[in-house]
Amino acid sequence: GAGVSQSPRYKVAKRGQDVALRCDPISGHVSLFWYQQALGQGPEFLTYFQNEAQLDKSGLPSDRFFAERPEGSVSTLKIQRTQQEDSAVYLCASSPGTGRGYTFGSGTRLTVV
Amino acid sequence: SQELEQSPQSLIVQEGKNLTINCTSSKTLYGLYWYKQKYGEGLIFLMMLQKGGEEKSHEKITAKLDEKKQQSSLHITASQPSHAGIYLCGAARGSQGNLIFGKGTKLSVKP
Repeated sequence: GAGVSQSPRYKVAKRGQDVALRCDPISGHVSLFWYQQALGQGPEFLTYFQNEAQLDKSGLPSDRFFAERPEGSVSTLKIQRTQQEDSAVYLCASSPGTGRGYTFGSGTRLTVV
Repeated sequence: SQELEQSPQSLIVQEGKNLTINCTSSKTLYGLYWYKQKYGEGLIFLMMLQKGGEEKSHEKITAKLDEKKQQSSLHITASQPSHAGIYLCGAARGSQGNLIFGKGTKLSVKP
């Protein structure tokens, strides 16, 4: 596609519910990143994929967070047993390669009530 | 402490005025990205600076990279309401190039 597409745009989850956030990167982009942005803060790195391989997941805050990109294109970020502190905007970015610029999606705003 | 510090945290200017936003790194900068974010939306790429002393301009926005000072500045000339938003600086870290960001500078432009 022309840009990075994320869905849903907004998600309200009850505490303890599982959620799945989708990212559709620009076609042909090898690198895919997930970021978490809390209110009033800059985005913070969660995880990185190169094609289907998850090469860095050091930013995932707990084992309730899981990400996959099985065919090297669409990626899903899953959060199990959501907690209030998980409320944030989740941003996805893709890039054709290291140092070649990043295109961000519009994000998914997750609110846990 | 924050690896990338932005100043000021927020800024209110009258339309037509010039302004500068700074981004200071606690580590050597090998590349610096500037993004703009409207509330509730994703990041819009503005500019990427890779070399010390490099300066880039796009429309009324100019960004400079001072590698020695580990600092970048973003200057807007004759601000307009369309410039309002949150400006974020980001630096590439790690071999895969994931970005770390400052907390952002919120700019409001009064008509």
